[in-house]
Amino acid sequence: QLQLQESGPGLVKPSETLSLTCSVSGGSISSSNYYWGWIRQTPGRGLEWIGSIYYSGSAYYNPSLKSRVTISVDTSRNQFSLKLSSVTAADTAVYYCARSSYNTGLKSNYWGKGTLVTVSS
Amino acid sequence: QSVLTQPPSVSGAPGQRVTISCTGSSSNIGAGYDIYWYQQLPGTAPKLLIYGNNDRPSGVPDRFSGSKSGTSASLAISGLQAVDEADYYCQSYDTSLSGSVFGGGTKLTVL
Repeated sequence: QLQLQESGPGLVKPSETLSLTCSVSGGSISSSNYYWGWIRQTPGRGLEWIGSIYYSGSAYYNPSLKSRVTISVDTSRNQFSLKLSSVTAADTAVYYCARSSYNTGLKSNYWGKGTLVTVSS
Repeated sequence: QSVLTQPPSVSGAPGQRVTISCTGSSSNIGAGYDIYWYQQLPGTAPKLLIYGNNDRPSGVPDRFSGSKSGTSASLAISGLQAVDEADYYCQSYDTSLSGSVFGGGTKLTVL
């Protein structure tokens, strides 16, 4: 059974960079036809697709976040990562990693449990 | 304000049928893009419930069904059960935003 697990700091200071890693087990991140991505959830803005990456390294980002987001993949470790720069309180959210059938986060059928990241000094 | 509009809440008694609407526009649902529905139980991650408008992943009961017409879509849940109490989200692609978008979510209460 495929499992995804997010890891990273739960507290980030304003203006700094949020960094999270998603570890994939029970399957290979190099599987063709799947994309690995990040989705976040806040009480105010609901669910928001951040971006996705293919095992080859091709990345796709939400245009509203593109200037601050970098998603990378490490196939040797079966992991992919998220970096979000210049964070503000508005970036406080539960961050999920997920496997999708499309590069825009559509049809996400496997999700991690999510990790709360709070942006505060 | 979400690009896809859902009612904040719906409710129904056990055994009843409820529907949850998802209203979009000509840049998403109306443009012909598929609708996906997710169920989120309290304290858990969303779970894919419906894909491609009305297909169910294995393990999802056939009590759940989806439909789409024009710029709107609906999720129907028949034979309502207490375990169905959750938040439900629709998702689609939006051409003007060049990415996938979610509805604001609907909280289903089983009376």
